[in-house]
Amino acid sequence: EVQLVESGGGLVQPGGSLRLSCAASGFSFSSYWLHWVRQAPGKGLVWVSRVSHDGSTPTYADSVKGRFTISRDNAKNTVYLQMNSLRAEDTAVYYCTRGGFQHAMDVWGQGTTVTVSS
Amino acid sequence: ESVLTQSPGTLSLSPGDRATLSCRASQTVNSNFLAWYQQKPGQAPRLLIYGASSRATVIPDRFSGSGSGTDFTLTISRLEPEDFAVYYCQHYGTSPLFGQGTKLEIK
Repeated sequence: EVQLVESGGGLVQPGGSLRLSCAASGFSFSSYWLHWVRQAPGKGLVWVSRVSHDGSTPTYADSVKGRFTISRDNAKNTVYLQMNSLRAEDTAVYYCTRGGFQHAMDVWGQGTTVTVSS
Repeated sequence: ESVLTQSPGTLSLSPGDRATLSCRASQTVNSNFLAWYQQKPGQAPRLLIYGASSRATVIPDRFSGSGSGTDFTLTISRLEPEDFAVYYCQHYGTSPLFGQGTKLEIK
């Protein structure tokens, strides 16, 4: 079964850090671009970051540039999102998703919740 | 940077009705990279349509997508109870971009 499973969310104080992980299974992980997409409570979907199949081309939304770092370990079939200098507005469910044919996001994880609050 | 505007914000219909959801881009986008997603409460989004008009795997044929340039449409020909959800359009460009969503609710 093709699957993405996120972990690492939690409660963190403003200015703090978290590292999210997304473990993949059931497909050739190293062949696909991976994305992180977030959804604040009651709001819509917002793209956060993506990484190319070999990790050489990370890209970020302006709102997280310089604070978040995406990376991947193809040997472990895992993509990561290191989040530093967290702000209240980073509070959201974070989804890991696969970039499939014609770059459509065709597989999604169940999401992990990040809450930034003092 | 293109903006995707979905309309209406909320659509109230009954099972068996036809639903037409609109997604308008502020500048011409490549339709090859236009997708639609469905999201139900408490669930992750699900890919419905890619390349503006191709149905994703196991998506029923009552869902169809059309459009090009700046105007795109998701049509659900005959609503089933499980179709009431929020729908997002998305374009994959320099920065992937989502519309703000259309909530399809039971009338």
